[in-house]
Amino acid sequence: QKEVEQDPGPLSVPEGAIVSLNCTYSNSAFQYFMWYRQYSRKGPELLMYTYSSGNKEDGRFTAQVDKSSKYISLFIRDSQPSDSATYLCAMGAYSSASKIIFGSGTRLSIRP
Amino acid sequence: DVKVTQSSRYLVKRTGEKVFLECVQDMDHENMFWYRQDPGLGLRLIYFSYDVKMKEKGDIPEGYSVSREKKERFSLILESASTNQTSMYLCASNGGTDQPQHFGDGTRLSIL
Repeated sequence: QKEVEQDPGPLSVPEGAIVSLNCTYSNSAFQYFMWYRQYSRKGPELLMYTYSSGNKEDGRFTAQVDKSSKYISLFIRDSQPSDSATYLCAMGAYSSASKIIFGSGTRLSIRP
Repeated sequence: DVKVTQSSRYLVKRTGEKVFLECVQDMDHENMFWYRQDPGLGLRLIYFSYDVKMKEKGDIPEGYSVSREKKERFSLILESASTNQTSMYLCASNGGTDQPQHFGDGTRLSIL
């Protein structure tokens, strides 16, 4: 079993829809959580970073962490064609010498 | 903003060549990382460094070495390139154990 599971998609939704992207994990030692966006032929770009259970909002993006269920989500409101990209979840433990574990990524397409 | 710069976006080399990939960060980060990214396999950690002249093996170090002579620069070396090292190589850095990693735009390396 992988430490981090993420549905690879592809996920296709119409412009303006709310998008929900999810990851589950098995290691209860993970204490901080990130979401990255990766456009084709580019490096991953940090979108959200959080270390506590609950919600964190930044513009149209909301990151949600449920440590008891070992489940994290990224919500995108009012989705735009420019949101079309691969989204990677990532997580780390303070004891792991800066190593973080990435999900395999979900490819998202927003239809105009 | 954090800037991580990889010296080449695209590189084509021949089997058996010694290949150098260079990465520079401008945020005085202690930690630097090299990953490779392959379809279906996600991001895999090759090596990381938490200080000048210090290095740690990641999950797939075989066939690679690294060099960190200055804090801002981290080099990945393919000692004798092979076709199975054709991949997207990503460099990242962060400022501490619980800090998110910031990525460069990657080097797409083809070994013929």
